[in-house]
Amino acid sequence: AQTVTQSQPEMSVQEAETVTLSCTYDTSESDYYLFWYKQPPSRQMILVIRQEAYKQQNATENRFSVNFQKAAKSFSLKISDSQLGDAAMYFCAYRGPSGFNKFYFGSGTKLNVKP
Amino acid sequence: EAGVAQSPRYKIIEKRQSVAFWCNPISGHATLYWYQQILGQGPKLLIQFQNNGVVDDSQLPKDRFSAERLKGVDSTLKIQPAKLEDSAVYLCASSPLAGVYTDTQYFGPGTRLTVL
Repeated sequence: AQTVTQSQPEMSVQEAETVTLSCTYDTSESDYYLFWYKQPPSRQMILVIRQEAYKQQNATENRFSVNFQKAAKSFSLKISDSQLGDAAMYFCAYRGPSGFNKFYFGSGTKLNVKP
Repeated sequence: EAGVAQSPRYKIIEKRQSVAFWCNPISGHATLYWYQQILGQGPKLLIQFQNNGVVDDSQLPKDRFSAERLKGVDSTLKIQPAKLEDSAVYLCASSPLAGVYTDTQYFGPGTRLTVL
């Protein structure tokens, strides 16, 4: 079975600074999808960014970007110019190539943003 | 477009009681997921539907949990009887079958269950 590992249970960053959250995964598939989801306290989970494994170019969404290293099975999230509203749990997730494949989530990283 | 709706938002029950959760996915989304998220952990898939058929229920404790998705739209998840370890947030998510974002899930606000 696929596994997703987030080795940083909690991280802190100063407002306006940059922070990188780590994620590694294990799979035997060559084609798959990777995601970062944000879950603010007592609020619903929302998609931050997604990456298709067949694309070599790293995905970017405004202040959020990823460093996708397929050979190393690594998928880190970089948040630039951190804002107080970025404080949340961040989950890395993996899904196989088919729409029938299920999603696997990591255990999450709690991000604190200091003013 | 309206998001994924869930109810109730909170539920407190005694152990051995029964409880049911309801989910209405985004209109037109064929795939529906139920997750259990225990405090401090990532979501764990309980069951995945494609229209009204079950795609994966390998991690659903079938002796006490059941789920159905009649007419391929909304869904209910039931626990009978509940145990203390069932205390968690139950998340519903949906994704489209066609279009650009078939690989992306959209989550509801969740139902927080406390079993005393």
